[in-house]
Amino acid sequence: DAGVIQSPRHEVTEMGQEVTLRCKPISGHDYLFWYRQTMMRGLELLIYFNNNVPIDDSGMPEDRFSAKMPNASFSTLKIQPSEPRDSAVYFCASSFGRGTEAFFGQGTRLTVV
Amino acid sequence: SQQGEEDPQALSIQEGENATMNCSYKTSINNLQWYRQNSGRGLVHLILIRSNEREKHSGRLRVTLDTSKKSSSLLITASRAADTASYFCATPPYSGGGADGLTFGKGTHLIIQP
Repeated sequence: DAGVIQSPRHEVTEMGQEVTLRCKPISGHDYLFWYRQTMMRGLELLIYFNNNVPIDDSGMPEDRFSAKMPNASFSTLKIQPSEPRDSAVYFCASSFGRGTEAFFGQGTRLTVV
Repeated sequence: SQQGEEDPQALSIQEGENATMNCSYKTSINNLQWYRQNSGRGLVHLILIRSNEREKHSGRLRVTLDTSKKSSSLLITASRAADTASYFCATPPYSGGGADGLTFGKGTHLIIQP
């Protein structure tokens, strides 16, 4: 397996625009996590799915953020409208089983200007 | 809320020396995991230690866990330049809790001087 695949690797967008980040988890994994990393706040868990169902989205900062997992091999994190403070590296991770080793993608570096 | 907290925030040592970093956590755990992050890359899992284990080895890595003190340490022996990275501890919620996501500390930034 190629590991967790995220796209794009880099995204620069203007404030107010919609941004969609994409993730393909490792085949067979039943958990998918979205994290955001900044210098100030470190790694924050935004939302996670179990068997494609959103379980806990309490980490999503605002209603501007939404995430979907239409099937076991694809998830999206959408920000609409984007703001400069959303600039960060967004990671997707997947795992098999509860509380087990998580496999991370390479991340998407988002810059909102 | 963050469960694990690494200490020190930054560590600089000479190549060949041993590096020790610590992690403290707040609530009961089933296991504790250590991850490495190279600059500009995703996190990579290093080692998992279960709550009923006190010590675990993997190559040049040695992890200890003291559940009475709610702390863990990661020792890297005979450090190499390639070990330069940020190191994070992570804890999944205790079984019976509602959430499943790993929570991370802010990490220890390790620099190995050649």
